[in-house]
Amino acid sequence: DGGITQSPKYLFRKEGQNVTLSCEQNLNHDAMYWYRQDPGQGLRLIYYSQIVNDFQKGDIAEGYSVSREKKESFPLTVTSAQKNPTAFYLCASSILKGGGTEAFFGQGTRLTVV
Amino acid sequence: AQTVTQSQPEMSVQEAETVTLSCTYDTSENNYYLFWYKQPPSRQMILVIRQEAYKQQNATENRFSVNFQKAAKSFSLKISDSQLGDTAMYFCAFSSSNTGKLIFGQGTTLQVKP
Repeated sequence: DGGITQSPKYLFRKEGQNVTLSCEQNLNHDAMYWYRQDPGQGLRLIYYSQIVNDFQKGDIAEGYSVSREKKESFPLTVTSAQKNPTAFYLCASSILKGGGTEAFFGQGTRLTVV
Repeated sequence: AQTVTQSQPEMSVQEAETVTLSCTYDTSENNYYLFWYKQPPSRQMILVIRQEAYKQQNATENRFSVNFQKAAKSFSLKISDSQLGDTAMYFCAFSSSNTGKLIFGQGTTLQVKP
């Protein structure tokens, strides 16, 4: 079955550590996105990528990094520079570079700093 | 920069009645796409309806319809014959045709009461 997979579902990190969230899609989609969702809040865009080896900062990129070495994969690293990383993270993908088609979402990763 | 604003954090409606969720956006672009997504308690994002900015006709999907006012930059969602399963958080989203950037509003939590 085609879809978008995020792993792990729950992640715990000690303060000062980097952690990487995985996002894989087998939908052959060009575009991929990372969002952060805080309790009762909307989705804020962290990074997005339209093609392999290219990505753009979203509205809250500070403290995060991404790579897009393969079309299917768009991992997000939460670095120690991110001051308040505890949140729910959603990855999405869509088929067109120019927008306009439905974005498919993963199940999300809940990151907690302990 | 584009922005999406949902001014109603919470709303409630009686089962079988009609409710309208508001959304405004800001952009200097002429070609773009607008979406409404639903996020139930499972947190899985589900596309409700999509509108192309170049189309004057309002989109409809069964009990869901939109009122798209391009000049006013308004994109409201009407849910008719509300059902208990409609209880969820609803997000308005904007997609740029130029950059493919996909951004969301703050969300409206809708509760359908029996």
